[in-house]
Amino acid sequence: EAEVAQSPRYKITEKSQAVAFWCDPISGHATLYWYRQILGQGPELLVQFQDESVVDDSQLPKDRFSAERLKGVDSTLKIQPAELGDSAMYLCASSFGQFLSTDTQYFGPGTRLTVL
Amino acid sequence: AQSVTQLDSQVPVFEEAPVELRCNYSSSVSVYLFWYVQYPNQGLQLLLKYLSGSTLVESINGFEAEFNKSQTSFHLRKPSVHISDTAEYFCAVSEDNAGNMLTFGGGTRLMVKP
Repeated sequence: EAEVAQSPRYKITEKSQAVAFWCDPISGHATLYWYRQILGQGPELLVQFQDESVVDDSQLPKDRFSAERLKGVDSTLKIQPAELGDSAMYLCASSFGQFLSTDTQYFGPGTRLTVL
Repeated sequence: AQSVTQLDSQVPVFEEAPVELRCNYSSSVSVYLFWYVQYPNQGLQLLLKYLSGSTLVESINGFEAEFNKSQTSFHLRKPSVHISDTAEYFCAVSEDNAGNMLTFGGGTRLMVKP
């Protein structure tokens, strides 16, 4: 069964350093999502791509976070500089459809970030 | 904007007992409802979803949820739980014509005890 791949699975970094996370969605999925999940809470959407275009990044802290999906396939989420409050699980998800509210989102295993 | 409330942060239950995990949502438009399960250090897996039609939806592993529009609820139930059901459960909603944006509740940790 096809899965969403993410790497690394775990990342420990010091405050003010730069970090990057990678996501490879299920083949053929047009829509890709990045979520942040703080311990003990539900995931919150950071950014949503339709192919290579950003369709929603209203919750992305743009002063330090950036996301790209240059060829409309895999994606990278970057934080620079990292802050203590960025410690969380970063989840990537993908869905097949063209921006449909009924499409199932398939999640990757996540990257757990710890900022010291 | 939609919101989701999961009233119980933790639900302890003995093995083979029934369980209900509560979910209420708030939205001014038509919604689609989802339950996801998350095992430790893993991503979320879709458990079941309501899109339209019958208000009672079932999963392959014995869970069911009922969409109640008048009470704006989508509670998850299982008549007899197993140790392996121990996990975090998230209720989520997407609004019609809102581009598949999911809003999640805070989660309920189901702890099944032997």
